[in-house]
Amino acid sequence: DAKTTQPPSMDCAEGRAANLPCNHSTISGNEYVYWYRQIHSQGPQYIIHGLKNNETNEMASLIITEDRKSSTLILPHATLRDTAVYYCIVRPAAQKLVFGQGTRLTINP
Amino acid sequence: DAGVTQSPTHLIKTRGQQVTLRCSPKSGHDTVSWYQQALGQGPQFIFQYYEEEERQRGNFPDRFSGHQFPNYSSELNVNALLLGDSALYLCASSLVAGVENIQYFGAGTRLSVL
Repeated sequence: DAKTTQPPSMDCAEGRAANLPCNHSTISGNEYVYWYRQIHSQGPQYIIHGLKNNETNEMASLIITEDRKSSTLILPHATLRDTAVYYCIVRPAAQKLVFGQGTRLTINP
Repeated sequence: DAGVTQSPTHLIKTRGQQVTLRCSPKSGHDTVSWYQQALGQGPQFIFQYYEEEERQRGNFPDRFSGHQFPNYSSELNVNALLLGDSALYLCASSLVAGVENIQYFGAGTRLSVL
């Protein structure tokens, strides 16, 4: 079973920041937080990951709370192409990915 | 730099038949994982191959088997196909020595069983 809880759906206006929450209250010390997204039944696309510290790359930012029990993925300037299902996954490195239902993010013009 | 490639993209089979799906990992990767994604669901882990051996396996019957070749490419075989095997089959590759072991996915093979 997935170890994360995400809202089933969210909406965001184009050009605004999209903030996607994820609860992982049972996370263990050796488990990373990974975010993937899947656009229209294509293969999942890796976005970002982190262990303790906040992370940023060219796609997004990942904010992890100090107790590591929750995190937020931030897409700073959402575009229509960001419409997708976003998956938050926690696991030790080298283990299988366990996908939940994810959050269906819709970017509105 | 080619990413993960899968073939074929689409496949139609009938119940009871056997199917083989193929995956070439991202350049430099040595580990291949296979996932099944039914319509409307998240991907489910089938198994993972490293050094030509199955290292981890999900809750799938023995009808699902695999192979990894010396060049790290992989095949997924499904025997005695059932209607419920209709799904998107995804291959992901990674580097076992990579600290965070990020998996990168191919576009998938869509299998329809009639």
